[in-house]
Amino acid sequence: GEDVEQSLFLSVREGDSSVINCTYTDSSSTYLYWYKQEPGAGLQLLTYIFSNMDMKQDQRLTVLLNKKDKHLSLRIADTQTGDSAIYFCAESIYTGKLIFGQGTTLQVKP
Amino acid sequence: DGGITQSPKYLFRKEGQNVTLSCEQNLNHDAMYWYRQDPGQGLRLIYYSQIVNDFQKGDIAEGYSVSREKKESFPLTVTSAQKNPTAFYLCASSGGLANEQFFGPGTRLTVL
Repeated sequence: GEDVEQSLFLSVREGDSSVINCTYTDSSSTYLYWYKQEPGAGLQLLTYIFSNMDMKQDQRLTVLLNKKDKHLSLRIADTQTGDSAIYFCAESIYTGKLIFGQGTTLQVKP
Repeated sequence: DGGITQSPKYLFRKEGQNVTLSCEQNLNHDAMYWYRQDPGQGLRLIYYSQIVNDFQKGDIAEGYSVSREKKESFPLTVTSAQKNPTAFYLCASSGGLANEQFFGPGTRLTVL
């Protein structure tokens, strides 16, 4: 069945770049998404990428997609303490549903 | 302001009681979703609705029920049959070109 996997934890220093990785299994996914969740809050859509693209850049965020390896990454440039949160990767499947990974907790040290 | 609202933010109930969580959206989206999130875990889909008066079970529907009588509203009832209802519940809707889902702020349900 469909599955999305992420590493659980990443720690970086303020000002460094963060790279959060994700692998997915459904090769027919049309879109892949990155969401951010702060403590006690809902999920905030950060960005998404269409499956026929390799890269998408949006200010400090860069998404890279390797469709052959079914690998997605989110790079946050100049990481700030306000970027500390849980980041979820998700893929869309043919029914319109999204399959979410377990989330990566990003810790930013001052 | 367009968005999704969930109420209440915190909810406490005694074991054996049914409880209904509210979800309203003014984004004019056709599809709406309910997820459950447990500590340290991802999101699990409970129910979803792609159009008014129609809904489908997700991966963990047992012990839950929903209705979709209006486009704007998708309430979730947690019944006494749900064995472990204490969790954070998230509602979402979608209708954009990329089928992206937008989330409400969540309801934290604690069963005492």
